[in-house]
Amino acid sequence: GQNIDQPTEMTATEGAIVQINCTYQTSGFNGLFWYQQHAGEAPTFLSYNVLDGLEEKGRFSSFLSRSKGYSYLLLKELQMKDSASYLCAVKDSNYQLIWGAGTKLIIKP
Amino acid sequence: DVKVTQSSRYLVKRTGEKVFLECVQDMDHENMFWYRQDPGLGLRLIYFSYDVKMKEKGDIPEGYSVSREKKERFSLILESASTNQTSMYLCASSLGGTEAYEQYFGPGTRLTVT
Repeated sequence: GQNIDQPTEMTATEGAIVQINCTYQTSGFNGLFWYQQHAGEAPTFLSYNVLDGLEEKGRFSSFLSRSKGYSYLLLKELQMKDSASYLCAVKDSNYQLIWGAGTKLIIKP
Repeated sequence: DVKVTQSSRYLVKRTGEKVFLECVQDMDHENMFWYRQDPGLGLRLIYFSYDVKMKEKGDIPEGYSVSREKKERFSLILESASTNQTSMYLCASSLGGTEAYEQYFGPGTRLTVT
């Protein structure tokens, strides 16, 4: 079967750095997405990785290792507004998105 | 900016009612999707469409149907609502083809079936 695993919840301190991991087992791979979802709102696109390595976008970076079936989202200089759920999704061989359950990130002052 | 709108943010229906959820996107996207989101579960795909009048079943199509008569509009229909269909429903759209384009989501409809 297809599976995406992420931690359910993480807590971090304002100004710090946090890494949210995602491991996947899918039938084929055509890219990995990270989305941010604030409570009661729609998911919004953060990043896309299809090749191994690190993609940096401001305070957010995303890393991919296809051989390990592993990705992480790195958030630097955490702000209170970063409190949200972070969703990992993999596009499989049929170009369908398989979604993880999301990681709820709680930022404390 | 891409805009995806959904007809209602909150909806309360009774068991057995027929329910229509409407979604409209304004960026001429070929692909449109309907998901439901429940606590502790990932987004689950109900139906999707790659073109007008075209539809494909997702992972959990039972109890639902869809309609896409125009490119910009994708409707989700609950033929006879049941309490286990109480959920957050999210519509999304994306460009077409086999490229891994990101999906743009509407604000969601929180449906309660009593």
